[in-house]
Formats: sequence, structure tokens, C-alpha cells
Amino acid sequence: KAGVTQTPRYLIKTRGQQVTLSCSPISGHRSVSWYQQTPGQGLQFLFEYFSETQRNKGNFPGRFSGRQFSNSRSEMNVSTLELGDSALYLCASSLGGQFNSYEQYFGPGTRLTVT
Amino acid sequence: QKEVEQNSGPLSVPEGAIASLNCTYSDRGSQSFFWYRQYSGKSPELIMSIYSNGDKEDGRFTAQLNKASQYVSLLIRDSQPSDSATYLCAVNVGGSYIPTFGRGTSLIVHP
Repeated sequence: KAGVTQTPRYLIKTRGQQVTLSCSPISGHRSVSWYQQTPGQGLQFLFEYFSETQRNKGNFPGRFSGRQFSNSRSEMNVSTLELGDSALYLCASSLGGQFNSYEQYFGPGTRLTVT
Repeated sequence: QKEVEQNSGPLSVPEGAIASLNCTYSDRGSQSFFWYRQYSGKSPELIMSIYSNGDKEDGRFTAQLNKASQYVSLLIRDSQPSDSATYLCAVNVGGSYIPTFGRGTSLIVHP
């Protein structure tokens, strides 16, 4: 079974620009979660989508948004990039509570650098 | 009080020893517990999940859950240098669909 894929793997953007990251979950998984990981803050939850609906949201500004498509693929968008947005962005897929399963499987991540 | 707490370490053990990693959580109603391993520059990898009190073994790894004391631990037997990584504890706090992650414990296994 193929794992979670994320594209692109690396990005360099300039402050003020916007960026879109993509995630394809494991086949059959309807939940996709996004996380930001930095050395100082650890793993921080951004939001979760389940069956095309945002089901959970973390404490991030509105510049961070996402969506999920009918095939469960998800995109995350960050507008008006700031230097502090430089981080590893991780996508995780899961059954999302179906069959009482909450295990999350992470993709390789997208390393975003804002200059 | 943080919802999921781990000692940041580093925990240093010699090759062949047992490494013991601990995690405490604040919500008594938590039902699902996970351990992830993260190598430097890589993404977290799920290595164990546990849902019931007691021990769960998988190869060299044993997860231990004590809901009454609100802690979950991970034992790594016969530690190898390749086990050197950060280990993240995650708990589904408050019945959430989304696990809350601890900050992780850095493990160093030296030859």
C-alpha cells in the first residue's frame, strides 16, 4: 500500500508571497491533518479535514487555510508569507476514527524556507 | 499543565541496554496512545499504538500503559545506534480525533 505523499519536498519563497502545498493520503483514508514543525515549537496542529470538511482547527492565523477534495487529497495554502513561517510542514492521514482507529501516518514533509 | 509531557532528554544509553522513555498526560478520559520515532530531518514514523492497560510488545519495543497513573512508556530492548532518534508520545486527549503530541525525548545510543 502506498504511503502518504507530499509535494513539493522543498520550497524557497520570499516574504509576502503565497504558497500551496499538496498531500495525497493513504488509499482509503478520509482524514488528512496538517502540522507545522519547528525546532522551537515542536509539532503544532494546523487543521484536519475529513470527507472534504474541516473538522478540527488549531490555533493559527487565517493566513493558513486548507481544503480537501473528493478523492481525499488535500492542499494547504499560506498567504502573505512571513519569515516565521519557515518550517517543516507535515501531512498525516488516518481513518479518522472509523473502525475506532485514530492512528496517523505522516508524509515526508515539505521544507519551506521564507527569505 | 501541558496535556502531554515528555522529558526532552537527551537520554543516553549504551548499545545493548534497555532504553526507557516516559510520557504523562493530563486527561483521564484519553483512550488512544501512540509512540512515534523521528530521525533528524525526517518525518515521524508510527512505531506503536496502545489502547488498553498493560503491556504491548512488538519486536524489541514494548509499550506500557497505566491509565490510573496517567502515564505511557516505551521500552526499547537491546538498543542499537540506529535507534538514536527523537521519540514522540501522542495521546487522543478528550476524545479528540486528533492526537496531541508531546515535545519528544531525544535518545542517543552510543556504541
